[in-house]
Amino acid sequence: EAGVAQSPRYKIIEKRQSVAFWCNPISGHATLYWYQQILGQGPKLLIQFQNNGVVDDSQLPKDRFSAERLKGVDSTLKIQPAKLEDSAVYLCASSSGTSNYNEQFFGPGTRLTVL
Amino acid sequence: KNQVEQSPQSLIILEGKNCTLQCNYTVSPFSNLRWYKQDTGRGPVSLTIMTFSENTKSNGRYTATLDADTKQSSLHITASQLSDSASYICVVSSTGTASKLTFGTGTRLQVTL
Repeated sequence: EAGVAQSPRYKIIEKRQSVAFWCNPISGHATLYWYQQILGQGPKLLIQFQNNGVVDDSQLPKDRFSAERLKGVDSTLKIQPAKLEDSAVYLCASSSGTSNYNEQFFGPGTRLTVL
Repeated sequence: KNQVEQSPQSLIILEGKNCTLQCNYTVSPFSNLRWYKQDTGRGPVSLTIMTFSENTKSNGRYTATLDADTKQSSLHITASQLSDSASYICVVSSTGTASKLTFGTGTRLQVTL
């Protein structure tokens, strides 16, 4: 079974530039999550999708971050404009359901460096 | 405020030795607790999950314990191998209408020869 795919794996941009990350979840997984993991910290949930609807985006900085999952499969996370403090690893995860008993399967992440 | 604290922050052990990682939480109401292993440059992978009624759960050389009364969990690694070098993250899930995961900051384990 293929895992969660993310691209790019690494991205370096200057502050105030824009960047987008892509995630392809495990086939059949209805729930998709985007996390931000700052070095030395645990992941922080940015947004949770159930199919193509948003379940939780309470911690998403909506003035600069946006995410979409138009067809209920792939998802993109965009930052515009980027700030220095956005430097982090952005993890995408998927699960077969929204229950907190459902295991979340994580992708390898995209490491973003903002200069 | 829901919090998960892990100790130690980092640990270096010799190959073949055992070690125990600690997790204390204040998440309420409690639903379940997972231990994840995160290799460098990879996403976290679930090792074990425990609910309120479970005291211990094993996965090969990994054994997790849970004391729901004291809100503590531990992850014991037996006969460590070089491939155990990774960060280990404790994640606690709350239940109810505001069900969320609270992640610890992880323990970075290095196994050396």
